[in-house]
Amino acid sequence: GNSVTQMEGPVTLSEEAFLTINCTYTATGYPSLFWYVQYPGEGLQLLLKATKADDKGSNKGFEATYRKETTSFHLEKGSVQVSDSAVYFCALSDRSNAGNMLTFGGGTRLMVKP
Amino acid sequence: DTGVSQNPRHKITKRGQNVTFRCDPISEHNRLYWYRQTLGQGPEFLTYFQNEAQLEKSRLLSDRFSAERPKGSFSTLEIQRTEQGDSAMYLCASSSGGVYGYTFGSGTRLTVV
Repeated sequence: GNSVTQMEGPVTLSEEAFLTINCTYTATGYPSLFWYVQYPGEGLQLLLKATKADDKGSNKGFEATYRKETTSFHLEKGSVQVSDSAVYFCALSDRSNAGNMLTFGGGTRLMVKP
Repeated sequence: DTGVSQNPRHKITKRGQNVTFRCDPISEHNRLYWYRQTLGQGPEFLTYFQNEAQLEKSRLLSDRFSAERPKGSFSTLEIQRTEQGDSAMYLCASSSGGVYGYTFGSGTRLTVV
């Protein structure tokens, strides 16, 4: 079956520090990969996506590269801000499934201190 | 367009009672999904609709759970004879298909006491 594993949090960083949140996946087919972010009290928001190997998704200074050889999709940001404090979820959608259901990792809480 | 709307935001119920949640998707989206998120975990798929047809259900969706989407517009998720293990955030999402991700609502938090 499909599964997503991401590093456990919380991850605590000082403002302007470099961020990496690791994500690896197992999929029976050829998945699309996503990062979602959940701010306190809000729903999940799509942060970025990649649909094929070596694609780089990027948004708001965050980046992630689809690495098929290592089955990974690590999230990075060069300089975090206090406003980036949230829970980040890695997810995949198996395109062999017509419904495009998402399989999520367990989430990683990021706390950025001023 | 105000995005995906879910009501109520919070629900506290006694064990054994029935509860119903509502989701109003983005109007032009033909797909609607329900997910459940327990504390400290990622969301887990429950079921999805394309228009009014319920096309897939997870094994997580026991026979106490039922979902409908009459006329392919809003959807309801009912839980009968609630149990403490049903306490979770219930998330609704909609999409127009494809691999571009969904738009999620803010969720309904259910607490069974």
